[in-house]
Amino acid sequence: LAKTTQPISMDSYEGQEVNITCSHNNIATNDYITWYQQFPSQGPRFIIQGYKTKVTNEVASLFIPADRKSSTLSLPRVSLSDTAVYYCLVGEPNQAGTALIFGKGTTLSVSS
Amino acid sequence: SQTIHQWPATLVQPVGSPLSLECTVEGTSNPNLYWYRQAAGRGLQLLFYSVGIGQISSEVPQNLSASRPQDRQFILSSKKLLLSDSGFYLCAWRKREMNTGELFFGEGSRLTVL
Repeated sequence: LAKTTQPISMDSYEGQEVNITCSHNNIATNDYITWYQQFPSQGPRFIIQGYKTKVTNEVASLFIPADRKSSTLSLPRVSLSDTAVYYCLVGEPNQAGTALIFGKGTTLSVSS
Repeated sequence: SQTIHQWPATLVQPVGSPLSLECTVEGTSNPNLYWYRQAAGRGLQLLFYSVGIGQISSEVPQNLSASRPQDRQFILSSKKLLLSDSGFYLCAWRKREMNTGELFFGEGSRLTVL
């Protein structure tokens, strides 16, 4: 199984930029890196996805170095509602298909 | 548009009883299907995934099983529940033809084993 590593928790204040890094050594050549946000008692919600370099959407940016063995989710100007668990998701090669394994997640706590 | 539904939303079962959770996807064909479990305060654990009818891959050995009797139907079962089976079960799908990580999740089923 591919192993992903994220910080267990992070603390921030409203208005700050938050960067969460995920390490993923066995990423498959054709697979993407995806980040999710999860609130309690809800299914994860897609945030952003990328293959290499930088991707930006209306809520976040994703930075991926050339070797693709890590990725960094950047949340600009966080608010209290960004308090959640953030998961890094990468594909894995497998004979029967591609299993999608979540990292252990990073609990982000935003304070006022 | 595509939708995913899973049921029941909540259930309380005694230890040793059977389990059946069902998930269906609409609006797409040949999806990859996934069952995840989340124990209280823990991360998401991949249990099973399927790339086609009758094709099931298990990620974690346990007393659970999965079946895919139809293209867009995924069922999670157990013959005898354990206390440790309690948790939040999530079904998800993704487009098979693309190597993207975008999963679409159902509403979740919360299981409490007493």
